[in-house]
Amino acid sequence: GDSVTQMEGPVTLSEEAFLTINCTYTATGYPSLFWYVQYPGEGLQLLLKATKADDKGSNKGFEATYRKETTSFHLEKGSVQVSDSAVYFCASRETSYDKVIFGPGTSLSVIP
Amino acid sequence: NAGVTQTPKFRVLKTGQSMTLLCAQDMNHEYMYWYRQDPGMGLRLIHYSVGEGTTAKGEVPDGYNVSRLKKQNFLLGLESAAPSQTSVYFCASSWTKDNEQFFGPGTRLTVL
Repeated sequence: GDSVTQMEGPVTLSEEAFLTINCTYTATGYPSLFWYVQYPGEGLQLLLKATKADDKGSNKGFEATYRKETTSFHLEKGSVQVSDSAVYFCASRETSYDKVIFGPGTSLSVIP
Repeated sequence: NAGVTQTPKFRVLKTGQSMTLLCAQDMNHEYMYWYRQDPGMGLRLIHYSVGEGTTAKGEVPDGYNVSRLKKQNFLLGLESAAPSQTSVYFCASSWTKDNEQFFGPGTRLTVL
């Protein structure tokens, strides 16, 4: 079945460091891909998305590019801030399905 | 707009007790979802609804029931709670399956 795999955390970075969180997916078709963020004590919020191959989603300095050839959707940010400390979830949705498949989440801590 | 709200925020049950979690949304969304979040496993879909009066099973439906009598409300019931149902429960809603899901703040349930 469809699945989403993320790099294991927790990830700890110093402020202004470069961030990469790897995400790969398996799917029978061509899913839409998402990154959601969960700040402490809150529900998930959509961070960015891409709906077809080579699309780049971006928001709040974060970017991810839909790579069909490597079935990947890695999240990047050039300079992280303490306020980026959160859990990040990669997710996919096949166009014919009603459901979204979430990865296990990657916890990020940014220290001053 | 309150968005998606969940009641209660916290609850402790004894094995065998029953309870209902309430999710309400004020965005006139058609789709509503119940997830559980467990460490290292991401979010898993319990049940979902594509409109008022409809429900469908997700990935882990056993031990739960749901109802969507009104468009704005989606209830999750546990008839006989078990320790394996200790988790954080999130409700979400969206316009359609292709749109962003909006999440509630979560309910932390402990079953002793």
